Amino acid sequence: DTGVSQNPRHKITKRGQNVTFRCDPISEHNRLYWYRQTLGQGPEFLTYFQNEAQLEKSRLLSDRFSAERPKGSFSTLEIQRTEQGDSAMYLCASSLTIGALSYEQYFGPGTRLTVT
Amino acid sequence: AQKITQTQPGMFVQEKEAVTLDCTYDTSDQSYGLFWYKQPSSGEMIFLIYQGSYDEQNATEGRYSLNFQKARKSANLVISASQLGDSAMYFCAMSPSSGGSYIPTFGRGTSLIVHP
Repeated sequence: DTGVSQNPRHKITKRGQNVTFRCDPISEHNRLYWYRQTLGQGPEFLTYFQNEAQLEKSRLLSDRFSAERPKGSFSTLEIQRTEQGDSAMYLCASSLTIGALSYEQYFGPGTRLTVT
Repeated sequence: AQKITQTQPGMFVQEKEAVTLDCTYDTSDQSYGLFWYKQPSSGEMIFLIYQGSYDEQNATEGRYSLNFQKARKSANLVISASQLGDSAMYFCAMSPSSGGSYIPTFGRGTSLIVHP
């Protein structure tokens, strides 16, 4: 059984470029979450999906950010017109929720973005 | 809004000794969950333990226990018999449980170093 995988693991881009990250959750997990973690801080919630539906978005998710989860499997997070403040670790997590809330989220290794 | 405070930026413990990592929280929600995650240098967040706000007994998971004091709004993590592999960042988090999903708000973390 594989865990949550994220690609790429590292991305260096120039300010103003667009970048896209991919997350593959644990198979059959119906919920998928994106977080952002900057140096010295804990992760901050960005958005989450139940199957293919995006159910909640944080105010941190500006209009330059967009996330999708087509067919309820993998997810992509795109950042348009990157800024230096976007430099961070982007973490993906998944969980299986049937009926009652599932509190345990399984995290991937993250994608570290550096905007120069 | 929820707030998590971890006042210990760094902690040191001798191998095989017990250590307590402090966490206080602030919330106006009546029903909520408290979590602890471990983040090794590899970057992946690992779920350790969960405590529901209405649980009367402190949660335990192997060498991890959560010392829950609701009136004081504290949720300290106790690691017994520390091992070298316990060296990592530890994050306390909480989430209201009244919504559609647990979406943790994380503290800034405590760095734990276990000495041989």
